[in-house]
Amino acid sequence: DIQLTQSPSTLSASVGDRVTITCRASQNIYSSLAWYQQKPGRAPKLLIYKASNLESGVPSTFSGSGFGTEFTLTVSSLQPDDFASYYCQQYNRYPWTFGQGTKVEIK
Amino acid sequence: EVHLVESGGDLVHPGGSRRLSCAASGFTFSFYEMNWIRQAPGQGLEWLANISISGSVTSYADSVKGRFTISRDNGKNSVFLQMNSLRAEDTAIYYCATGGDNGAYFQHWGQGTVVTVSS
Repeated sequence: DIQLTQSPSTLSASVGDRVTITCRASQNIYSSLAWYQQKPGRAPKLLIYKASNLESGVPSTFSGSGFGTEFTLTVSSLQPDDFASYYCQQYNRYPWTFGQGTKVEIK
Repeated sequence: EVHLVESGGDLVHPGGSRRLSCAASGFTFSFYEMNWIRQAPGQGLEWLANISISGSVTSYADSVKGRFTISRDNGKNSVFLQMNSLRAEDTAIYYCATGGDNGAYFQHWGQGTVVTVSS
């Protein structure tokens, strides 16, 4: 199975900060990577697909980059609504797998 | 607007069975692959099963292969997850989700249904 390792596991930041979350894959997944946001008690929400494509309706403060085994999710200016958990997911090869998650907390 | 509503979650005894349903609306259901994903309490996300547009091809995570079965009814805009031989570690929120327009990511999600496996 393809393992996805996110770092950091927890991130403390302030409103207006630029934050970056990294997702590393155990093997080449090309650009078959998505990012999700999940708030407590809610279902995950798709943010980014194909490593860098912004899902419709997602603020442009979110961006994704990377190819192969290393990927990043960047929030250019953290807003109060952005404090949540974030997960990467690979869909290059079955079984599709998720990273363990990154919780973005208020500093 | 895409709407996915899961149902069927409940308290189940170990070794028991349960069938989850997911009713879809607001999009052409028969155009999309469908998935089940779960989240154990306080844990991350785990993909469980996928079904093709026609329903003829299915894929499963090893953790549920042979115990869970995904199916769909395009006439009723619904996808199902039959869960047998349930274990305590199957306790989770179960989400259904559509495949993506441009790949096998999870574009739209339901709100989830809770399955608790306990004696």
